[in-house]
Amino acid sequence: DSGVTQTPKHLITATGQRVTLRCSPRSGDLSVYWYQQSLDQGLQFLIQYYNGEERAKGNILERFSAQQFPDLHSELNLSSLELGDSALYFCASSAQGVNTEAFFGQGTRLTVV
Amino acid sequence: EDQVTQSPEALRLQEGESSSLNCSYTVSGLRGLFWYRQDPGKGPEFLFTLYSAGEEKEKERLKATLTKKESFLHITAPKPEDSATYLCAVRSSGTYKYIFGTGTRLKVLA
Repeated sequence: DSGVTQTPKHLITATGQRVTLRCSPRSGDLSVYWYQQSLDQGLQFLIQYYNGEERAKGNILERFSAQQFPDLHSELNLSSLELGDSALYFCASSAQGVNTEAFFGQGTRLTVV
Repeated sequence: EDQVTQSPEALRLQEGESSSLNCSYTVSGLRGLFWYRQDPGKGPEFLFTLYSAGEEKEKERLKATLTKKESFLHITAPKPEDSATYLCAVRSSGTYKYIFGTGTRLKVLA
């Protein structure tokens, strides 16, 4: 158990809908990262938050947004969903400091039908 | 631009047949090279962090090494339960994200 909790584990929704994925980082970790992993694809970095502030942005679509709350949990919002958004979405957290490893949650499998 | 390339894409080994996985990287100021194991449908599981050339880390049948251009994950006498995708990631100075390679899918046959 990495200590990173993601909910829900599975999500099935229709095209055009909006969903929210939730992540609770490991106790004490201030950084949260979101990654997307499509079938047979690598982990694509979406966005990072540090202590409530956006710190880095990757190839995140404009239809996607995220935030980190004062209690450090994070939410990834996906709107106007398309079939191509079907993927595994992972959240990771890391301790303060540049040279630290990230620990991943078990992911949310999103299926858009 | 920071980049990570892993090879081979897939590897099949007989139980007990040792081998190595490669991770080549180009970064501007390495702040860490990370190895993860990922089982199908699961989140990546952290294995090792390497910081400087010449560093080595070991865990059971796995040993990770680092040079200035690449890292190797050596698997000694693998067992079927070692079957998984092994991911390599780097973090560079000036960026906060972890950049991942596409992984090596390892299958160990009994």
